[in-house]
Amino acid sequence: NAGVTQTPKFQVLKTGQSMTLQCAQDMNHEYMSWYRQDPGMGLRLIHYSVGAGITDQGEVPNGYNVSRSTTEDFPLRLLSAAPSQTSVYFCASSYSGKTYGYTFGSGTRLTVV
Amino acid sequence: GDSVTQMEGPVTLSEEAFLTINCTYTATGYPSLFWYVQYPGEGLQLLLKATKADDKGSNKGFEATYRKETTSFHLEKGSVQVSDSAVYFCALTGNTDKLIFGTGTRLQVFP
Repeated sequence: NAGVTQTPKFQVLKTGQSMTLQCAQDMNHEYMSWYRQDPGMGLRLIHYSVGAGITDQGEVPNGYNVSRSTTEDFPLRLLSAAPSQTSVYFCASSYSGKTYGYTFGSGTRLTVV
Repeated sequence: GDSVTQMEGPVTLSEEAFLTINCTYTATGYPSLFWYVQYPGEGLQLLLKATKADDKGSNKGFEATYRKETTSFHLEKGSVQVSDSAVYFCALTGNTDKLIFGTGTRLQVFP
């Protein structure tokens, strides 16, 4: 049981490049979320999914796309990276957020130069 | 919208001191409340939770009580250890299952 797996752990991008941050969970959780963590700002919700084929925007969705074709995977796409997207990104999943809380991955540290 | 407010850090304590980290929330309906902990260089781990008013969550010597009348969920520990040094996040899920975080409080414990 691997939990929530994020890849890569570290990434450096040039401004304007695109990339996909991968997130996979093996717990059959319906709820999945992406967060970014910046100093002094806690974790802010980027996008959210309640099941395959269903996604919703969070607090800071601009510049990011998501899709959920399977229960297990929830990739986050940066279409044209900007220095303001330099951050640590966390993926999380849950069977029921209100009852159990979320399980988090170990994060991806992204630097955009 | 829903929000969480935490006391600013860092909180600096000597080993075996009593810890309180304040957390208040704003939410419609009946949120579930959580404390997460992040050790240096790691992801977030669920520390404890409470899903209804007057519930007390507890784990590893930490406790927090869901107080609806004061909209609070303060984290306490009677005797902290150096190994408790970390960032602590208060969070809630409201009418949806979206998890909303406070800004985090860094705890530093010295021997």
